[in-house]
Amino acid sequence: EDKVVQSPLSLVVHEGDTVTLNCSYEVTNFRSLLWYKQEKKAPTFLFMLTSSGIEKKSGRLSSILDKKELFSILNITATQTGDSAVYLCGRGNAGNNRKLIWGLGTSLAVNP
Amino acid sequence: NAGVTQTPKFQVLKTGQSMTLQCAQDMNHNSMYWYRQDPGMGLRLIYYSASEGTTDKGEVPNGYNVSRLNKREFSLRLESAAPSQTSVYFCASRLAGQETQYFGPGTRLLVL
Repeated sequence: EDKVVQSPLSLVVHEGDTVTLNCSYEVTNFRSLLWYKQEKKAPTFLFMLTSSGIEKKSGRLSSILDKKELFSILNITATQTGDSAVYLCGRGNAGNNRKLIWGLGTSLAVNP
Repeated sequence: NAGVTQTPKFQVLKTGQSMTLQCAQDMNHNSMYWYRQDPGMGLRLIYYSASEGTTDKGEVPNGYNVSRLNKREFSLRLESAAPSQTSVYFCASRLAGQETQYFGPGTRLLVL
């Protein structure tokens, strides 16, 4: 069964800290890995990763995929209270109408 | 562009009542999805529609039906609501050939 496991499930940090969120997956029919941010509403897209070792970056957020070890990390540097959210990871499978299999998410709280 | 819209935003039902959740997208996307999101369970796929005229079951289809009315609209129907269907429901859409799914704002449903 395809699984996506995110860790930690929750995290509390202070403003200015750097955090690393982890998403591991099973290898079968892997096509892509996507990161989303969910505040108290709909998930919004952050990054999509398909190739190992190529970092995607947007401001203080960055993400990278390791297809050999079957995981991805999402880094947030110099965290701000506005980064408080649930971060979701979803993996796409080849050839199944592009359904995404989702992890449970990491709940990040950034305290001032 | 409104993106993905959902109605209603919030609904309270009694056990046994029926209702239809509406979803529409104006991005000319081919595929549409219905998810439910519950604490500790993550996003679970109820039904999806790869293209106009086709629908398929996801992970948790029991108690639901869907209609892909046209390319823009994908509705989710609860024929006889049960308390276990209390959840937040998200609709999402995706352009053919791309991986990223775009989410609507969600419908919060409470079944008493």
